[in-house]
Amino acid sequence: KQEVTQIPAALSVPEGENLVLNCSFTDSAIYNLQWFRQDPGKGLTSLLLIQSSQREQTSGRLNASLDKSSGRSTLYIAASQPGDSATYLCAVLLTGNQFYFGTGTSLTVIP
Amino acid sequence: ETGVTQTPRHLVMGMTNKKSLKCEQHLGHNAMYWYKQSAKKPLELMFVYNFKEQTENNSVPSRFSPECPNSSHLFLHLHTLQPEDSALYLCASSQSGQGFSEAFFGQGTRLTVV
Repeated sequence: KQEVTQIPAALSVPEGENLVLNCSFTDSAIYNLQWFRQDPGKGLTSLLLIQSSQREQTSGRLNASLDKSSGRSTLYIAASQPGDSATYLCAVLLTGNQFYFGTGTSLTVIP
Repeated sequence: ETGVTQTPRHLVMGMTNKKSLKCEQHLGHNAMYWYKQSAKKPLELMFVYNFKEQTENNSVPSRFSPECPNSSHLFLHLHTLQPEDSALYLCASSQSGQGFSEAFFGQGTRLTVV
């Protein structure tokens, strides 16, 4: 069974710092990997989607990388802002339209 | 706005009540999902529908009954729930088939069973 792990579970940084969130998965036979953001009590907002054939995707201050062979992905956030405070989730898609999620990293950016 | 709308946003129900959660997607997707999110646990996949057909039932108790009348609508019928069923229930949609697409989520229904 696919297991998705996110490290660290919580992270607190001062505003303006660059930071990296980590995601690892046990089964490399994935179709894609997706990073989400979740604000307290809200749904998930898609940030970046990386297809299995891709190595990275960028959107604004966000950059996500994927190394399928090692079962790892990172989400890089540049010049963090207080508005980036949220929980960040990664999910991998396997056959049968099954998305497997990690437990998330709770990020706090201190003004 | 993600294109996936869930109602109601909040629901409080007694253990003997019957209620339904509704999800609607305006993205033209052919796959829809129900997830349960409890505190400190990863999102748990409950049901998957492809082209209105249920393709996944992740050992969900029968007190949860899904219904997918068409590719745009998904319901979760609830009856005789337990307090441990209190959670955030999330609906999602995606386009399955060639070129798996992004999953888009609704805002969720916060369910409290009393």
